[in-house]
Amino acid sequence: DAKTTQPPSMDCAEGRAANLPCNHSTISGNEYVYWYRQIHSQGPQYIIHGLKNNETNEMASLIITEDRKSSTLILPHATLRDTAVYYCLKINAGGTSYGKLTFGQGTILTVHP
Amino acid sequence: NAGVTQTPKFRVLKTGQSMTLLCAQDMNHEYMYWYRQDPGMGLRLIHYSVGEGTTAKGEVPDGYNVSRLKKQNFLLGLESAAPSQTSVYFCASRTSQTGPYEQYFGPGTRLTVT
Repeated sequence: DAKTTQPPSMDCAEGRAANLPCNHSTISGNEYVYWYRQIHSQGPQYIIHGLKNNETNEMASLIITEDRKSSTLILPHATLRDTAVYYCLKINAGGTSYGKLTFGQGTILTVHP
Repeated sequence: NAGVTQTPKFRVLKTGQSMTLLCAQDMNHEYMYWYRQDPGMGLRLIHYSVGEGTTAKGEVPDGYNVSRLKKQNFLLGLESAAPSQTSVYFCASRTSQTGPYEQYFGPGTRLTVT
């Protein structure tokens, strides 16, 4: 069974970079890596996605290894408001076109003052 | 830009009562979704819409109905509420200009059925 693994929890000091890892036991050529987060009592929030190249946007950077089985989400300067559950998703771009999202357990990131 | 808004934020219903949850988006998005989120069950898709006047079933549609009469609104109805429908309900939307998985979520409606 294909499995996505994320650490259940991580801590980060405010102002430092938060590096959240994600591993996939298998990943095929048309499967993207997506990252979402969910701050307590709020709706999920899209962060970033990538296929094989590293990506950066105003929220974060995404580093994907050459075999694509590992990715790291980087929040360059974490703030207290970044405390949330972070979900790494593996999504088949050629799959369900309407876009059903399914979240696993995720990583609880706690940013400390 | 308010993004995606949901009304109400909280609601308590008795078994058998009905209600409608309203989702509104001001981003001119074509696609809209209703999910429910339960502890240990993750996010599950109830219904979705690919455009005004169209709706389709997701993975857990039973007990719910939806309507998309206007592009900016997506309504979720519970005709006869059951305790199993106690959950947090999220609405999401997306544009057809990006991939199907870049969705924007509302703040949620916490529903308790007693």
